Amino acid sequence: SAVISQKPSRDICQRGTSLTIQCQVDSQVTMMFWYRQQPGQSLTLIATANQGSEATYESGFVIDKFPISRPNLTFSTLTVSNMSPEDSSIYLCSVEAGGGLREQFFGPGTRLTVL
Amino acid sequence: GEDVEQSLFLSVREGDSSVINCTYTDSSSTYLYWYKQEPGAGLQLLTYIFSNMDMKQDQRLTVLLNKKDKHLSLRIADTQTGDSAIYFCAESGGSARQLTFGSGTQLTVLP
Repeated sequence: SAVISQKPSRDICQRGTSLTIQCQVDSQVTMMFWYRQQPGQSLTLIATANQGSEATYESGFVIDKFPISRPNLTFSTLTVSNMSPEDSSIYLCSVEAGGGLREQFFGPGTRLTVL
Repeated sequence: GEDVEQSLFLSVREGDSSVINCTYTDSSSTYLYWYKQEPGAGLQLLTYIFSNMDMKQDQRLTVLLNKKDKHLSLRIADTQTGDSAIYFCAESGGSARQLTFGSGTQLTVLP
């Protein structure tokens, strides 16, 4: 399995500011994803972070609001821009184990509260 | 689009078996997953099953897949208080690697 860390683990932010969340994996992985879990809800995919090219966003999510970087095969960042209280959620990165296995592992999440 | 459905709540007595059910609509689903989320924690992958299998067992966990009915279940034998958590069913289909999640089932284990 992959060991995934996220920073920060939680933050409280003011409306209109931006927060960048980091995701670090202990091994090189091809597939890396960012999900959002709104309070009391299930997980929704924001985007697939592609190494060396622009992220692939799901319907309802746009690059201006959620810019993503993927500079190498072990690291990615998600920025939540111009935040509003509706952005209060847990943001999780996940990776696929690779090696032909379809196991997908999740980081511990970043709990964001926007005031 | 894809849809994954779960019942929201399940309560069982300690020592009994728990069965958490999930239905999905995407006939091209190839991998089906069960994750566990404890309060304030991330998601822990419990097990997953490939669509050409109908059963997978791993210690206290048994996954049953009825592909015809698009029904997946997770059975936890000898349920313990530490099993209390939210259990998410998820699927991915074909070449698409991202997961579509159900709403989650809150399992409460009563003493």
